[in-house]
Amino acid sequence: DAKTTQPTSMDCAEGRAANLPCNHSTISGNEYVYWYRQIHSQGPQYIIHGLKNNETNEMASLIITEDRKSSTLILPHATLRDTAVYYCIVREGDNNDMRFGAGTRLTVKP
Amino acid sequence: EPEVTQTPSHQVTQMGQEVILRCVPISNHLYFYWYRQILGQKVEFLVSFYNNEISEKSEIFDDQFSVERPDGSNFTLKIRSTKLEDSAMYFCARTVDSSYNSPLHFGNGTRLTVT
Repeated sequence: DAKTTQPTSMDCAEGRAANLPCNHSTISGNEYVYWYRQIHSQGPQYIIHGLKNNETNEMASLIITEDRKSSTLILPHATLRDTAVYYCIVREGDNNDMRFGAGTRLTVKP
Repeated sequence: EPEVTQTPSHQVTQMGQEVILRCVPISNHLYFYWYRQILGQKVEFLVSFYNNEISEKSEIFDDQFSVERPDGSNFTLKIRSTKLEDSAMYFCARTVDSSYNSPLHFGNGTRLTVT
């Protein structure tokens, strides 16, 4: 059963911020939110993860709502190379496996 | 640059043949995973491997699949008697470190084509 809900597709203009939403209303207290992306048929690429605080790294920012039932991945200045399928995954730690859904296909347009 | 190297990048085999897919993690971590992705479908979990034992496996991982780490470095996925429906991308992954919430890092996969 899917633990997350994401829009099927989104478009974004090059140079603008891309905001990708994810709903995870059944998340439990010890589950983290992870974001990955997949470009063409390459291996999924890790982007960022968090538990309840907002997180930022060199690739993106992760905003998690206070009730933790949803989150948003922000790519601050999208480029054409950010065109990919983005996956939001909730996972309990302890080195459990990641379970992928269908993700959001983000298309960055010039 | 992925931190996991997979070989071969593309494998073509005939139905009924055995194939071995290999994964070479760069650093010596304990948790490894195999996933597959049939063309146009989602990435599916197959099996996780911890400390030289299967930790968890999905319903896809039936008796025709096996995993091992024969030389303490390479991590292999064997498909004993391939079927047409085994054609897919196969991804190996490992945890970044031993922390509780360590994300997985994936290789760029092996494309298996069964004819």
